[in-house]
Amino acid sequence: DGGITQSPKYLFRKEGQNVTLSCEQNLNHDAMYWYRQDPGQGLRLIYYSQIVNDFQKGDIAEGYSVSREKKESFPLTVTSAQKNPTAFYLCASHRGWGNEKLFFGSGTQLSVL
Amino acid sequence: EDQVTQSPEALRLQEGESSSLNCSYTVSGLRGLFWYRQDPGKGPEFLFTLYSAGEEKEKERLKATLTKKESFLHITAPKPEDSATYLCAVQAVGGNQFYFGTGTSLTVIP
Repeated sequence: DGGITQSPKYLFRKEGQNVTLSCEQNLNHDAMYWYRQDPGQGLRLIYYSQIVNDFQKGDIAEGYSVSREKKESFPLTVTSAQKNPTAFYLCASHRGWGNEKLFFGSGTQLSVL
Repeated sequence: EDQVTQSPEALRLQEGESSSLNCSYTVSGLRGLFWYRQDPGKGPEFLFTLYSAGEEKEKERLKATLTKKESFLHITAPKPEDSATYLCAVQAVGGNQFYFGTGTSLTVIP
């Protein structure tokens, strides 16, 4: 079955540490997105990519970095510069054109030790 | 500025007590309005897409409607398993960004 796989389900970060969240899709979608979800704040866009080797900052990109070397993969690195990283992170994909829905992964809960 | 506002923030219903959730939006041109259901600790699950004013879609106890300024998600005779957070999102014409509301947390009491 086609879908989006996020890993790990839970992740813990120590002070000063960079951590990377994985997102893989087998839907053959061109566009991929990373959202951060905090209680009561809805989904906020971190980064998105519409094509391989290209990505754009969203509303809250500071302290995060991404890469898009393959169509299927869009990993998110939470750097030590992100001072409040505790949140639920969601990866999504879209075929890249038209008005179809976003497909979501199952999320990664990141917490600070 | 494109914006989405959902109300109420939280809603508690008795089983069988019908109600509606609201999603108001401001967008330069609407490409699509999307409803999702999200259970705690999980990714959003797609429910409906609406494209133009006057459109309606139904699925079991849920019915979504759309006007030029807002969408409603009507829940008829809800059951405890309908308890979840319901998210609304819009996609503007000419873009591939999606703007989300903060969601309505629905609790259905047996």
